[in-house]
This record gives sequence, C-alpha cells and structure tokens, in this order.
Amino acid sequence: GAGVSQSPRYKVAKRGQDVALRCDPISGHVSLFWYQQALGQGPEFLTYFQNEAQLDKSGLPSDRFFAERPEGSVSTLKIQRTQQEDSAVYLCASSLRPGGLRTEAFFGQGTRLTVV
Amino acid sequence: DAKTTQPPSMDCAEGRAANLPCNHSTISGNEYVYWYRQIHSQGPQYIIHGLKNNETNEMASLIITEDRKSSTLILPHATLRDTAVYYCIGPGGYGGSQGNLIFGKGTKLSVKP
Repeated sequence: GAGVSQSPRYKVAKRGQDVALRCDPISGHVSLFWYQQALGQGPEFLTYFQNEAQLDKSGLPSDRFFAERPEGSVSTLKIQRTQQEDSAVYLCASSLRPGGLRTEAFFGQGTRLTVV
Repeated sequence: DAKTTQPPSMDCAEGRAANLPCNHSTISGNEYVYWYRQIHSQGPQYIIHGLKNNETNEMASLIITEDRKSSTLILPHATLRDTAVYYCIGPGGYGGSQGNLIFGKGTKLSVKP
C-alpha cells in the first residue's frame, strides 16, 4: 500500500495475555519507529530501527516490551504479560532516510490496545 | 521535554486563517522546526518544516521570526477537517541517539462553523 499499515486496529487483551502488534512501513523506508500514546497525551517514543538493526530501545517501558524487524521491513511489537497500564494506542512511523526522524515521517493509524 | 511552548487550545472560524504560535527560544542555528498534526483517531501527519526562511506548501505556511525564537503555522483557509492537535517540534525536540521526535502536548485547534 501507499502508507504505513498497522494491524490489528483494535486489540482487547486480558491482563496477563501476550500480544503482538504488526507494522508494515512504506516500502524502501530505512527508518522505523514505534510510539506509545496514552489517552490525551502526545505520542512517546519507544524504539527505533534502521533497517533490521534496533539502534535505540531506550523508550521501552519494561522488559515485557520487545520489538523486532528481522528483514528490515515489517516490524512487530510484542508485549508480554499485559498490564492495564499498557492500554494505549501504539503508533508506527517510517521515514526514507536513516538517522532518525529529522525529516518527513509517515505514521500509521495505530493499534488501540485495551487491557481488561 | 521538547523545548517548545504552545498554547493548549485555540478556536478558529471556518474559512478564516488559523495562526498557531510556537515559542522555541533556545533554538540554535542549525536546528529545524517541524510541525505535525494529529486528527482524532489517526496517526500524526507531517505538515511542514523550516530553518530560517518562511516556507509554504499545499497544506500550510510557516513563518519563522528573524531571531528564530518563535514561529507561526498558518492554515490560510481553515476547514472543519483541520480540527486537530498541532505539534511544534524544535530544539530539544529530538531525543535518543537517532533523533526521535518528542511531541509535547501541542495545541488543540477547533475549527467552528
């Protein structure tokens, strides 16, 4: 497709369940970012990939959060043993160039995760 | 936190120009200012960026003061679909080793009929 695609759009998980969120970036985009957005707040950085390399994971809130991009295209954000505080919208963004988002970045519509 | 200051909310009449201010008093000579917006239930959308010259594209104009300590995003003819949260990202607006965006709280623009 022409844009960044995320799936599922909505996910309801029971507390303690593991979830996997998928991001399909724009083809050929080198940089890929994950953000977490709580209700009423701006997006907050989680992690960054340059191709398949995870160069920055400083924003991941705990070791229950894990992200991968094994072939440098599709990325998966996995959350183990979900907690209620994990409820948020998870946004994926990609950009053409390496070296971060100091350029036009394209965001997906996000996955809304609700932990009950 | 991003070193930008924006009003939390603004109203604008449909068809009129919306002028969204941003203060970035600590900006240095080679730092760009970026604007994104987020319409309800969507991901953020890039609008425009600039260094020191005024910039215009099909979405908006960006006016940067000569001392570069503030800028104004102008939507020349606001429509109801421009209702969104607008984020100004400037100095201190990049974190980590790869320059990830730091969004802050932005300005909630409400365009009213």
